[in-house]
Amino acid sequence: GENVEQHPSTLSVQEGDSAVIKCTYSDSASNYFPWYKQELGKRPQLIIDIRSNVGEKKDQRIAVTLNKTAKHFSLHITETQPEDSAVYFCAATSQTGFQKLVFGTGTRLLVSP
Amino acid sequence: GAGVSQTPSNKVTEKGKYVELRCDPISGHTALYWYRQSLGQGPEFLIYFQGTGAADDSGLPNDRFFAVRPEGSVSTLKIQRTERGDSAVYLCASRGERDFTPGQGARETQYFGPGTRLLVL
Repeated sequence: GENVEQHPSTLSVQEGDSAVIKCTYSDSASNYFPWYKQELGKRPQLIIDIRSNVGEKKDQRIAVTLNKTAKHFSLHITETQPEDSAVYFCAATSQTGFQKLVFGTGTRLLVSP
Repeated sequence: GAGVSQTPSNKVTEKGKYVELRCDPISGHTALYWYRQSLGQGPEFLIYFQGTGAADDSGLPNDRFFAVRPEGSVSTLKIQRTERGDSAVYLCASRGERDFTPGQGARETQYFGPGTRLLVL
């Protein structure tokens, strides 16, 4: 089955800096890669996703890149703000698995003012 | 419209007791998932419903866990003879069926509920 690894487990940056979180996956059949943000005690919320037919997607300060050959994808947050502080999870899913998400272990991002 | 809701938000029970956790998906969403999230971990898949049927229950840890979705909307996750190791946040997610193009991946998002925090004493 699919296995998703995520690094780093914690990331501390100063406000205004960029943050990068990286994930690798094992199943070459995976074709959908969402990123979720989870604040303490709250539900996971989708912030951006990418499908295997594109290599990069941007939404304001957030971007995701995908390298299918290397089977890794990354989340990039520019001009970080204190409200970006949360746990971020990457995930991967395949059509063959009824789109059940396989999550990484999460990255705790702390943005200091 | 309303998002995914789950009740109760918190449940404290004693070892050996039976618990039911409820999920109300987004109206019209045919796909429903249950995940379990332990402290400091990502959500782990438990079971997937397409309509009323459990299409994939490969994530259920053992036969103490069971889930139903009798009318294709609300789902209930049932845990018998609870153990301390069952303590976790149980998340429900739903997904709508939109245009699907084979080979290009599904084009829908899983929307999560707030979860039920289960504590087994």
